[in-house]
Amino acid sequence: SQQGEEDPQALSIQEGENATMNCSYKTSINNLQWYRQNSGRGLVHLILIRSNEREKHSGRLRVTLDTSKKSSSLLITASRAADTASYFCARANAGKSTFGDGTTLTVKP
Amino acid sequence: GAGVSQSPRYKVAKRGQDVALRCDPISGHVSLFWYQQALGQGPEFLTYFQNEAQLDKSGLPSDRFFAERPEGSVSTLKIQRTQQEDSAVYLCASSLPSLGQVNNSPLHFGNGTRLTVT
Repeated sequence: SQQGEEDPQALSIQEGENATMNCSYKTSINNLQWYRQNSGRGLVHLILIRSNEREKHSGRLRVTLDTSKKSSSLLITASRAADTASYFCARANAGKSTFGDGTTLTVKP
Repeated sequence: GAGVSQSPRYKVAKRGQDVALRCDPISGHVSLFWYQQALGQGPEFLTYFQNEAQLDKSGLPSDRFFAERPEGSVSTLKIQRTQQEDSAVYLCASSLPSLGQVNNSPLHFGNGTRLTVT
């Protein structure tokens, strides 16, 4: 079973809208990472947030972390058609990264 | 520089055949990982190397799966006597740091090998 659970499973929005995806996890973490996967490709690292951080920004991406609720969210602002992809959260322990099943985001032009 | 390279990109095998999947990590990357990704799911951990040492193989689903990295760079994932349930995308990833920092470093993934067992 996966340690990270993303929701929603699927999200469809219009270009220009914001997209929010959530991730819950079960055990304590040192950090949480978010990845993007375009269809037929490998995963691309987006952002890492440490357990002592509450919010982190990278361009149009904003990640929040609430360790008391064991949850994180990824916000993509002003979405573009090119943001269409699957998004995964992951946590690492002893070198092994554990991924959820992802949120599939579709951005309609 | 070049990213993680995997070959072949696609592999079709008849049930019972052996297959070998290759991964060329980013040059100088110490850590190398293999993941299995079923359709519509997230990657599932198979095994992890630091240089040539296989530190964790807890995710290998059966003794038909074997991975090696003899010189600490290129890695091969071998599946013997393939079964239909082995059909999946096999992803390789590498990262630079040694064990002490590996949890805090991003993984760099290849585009995977899509294995179809008929």
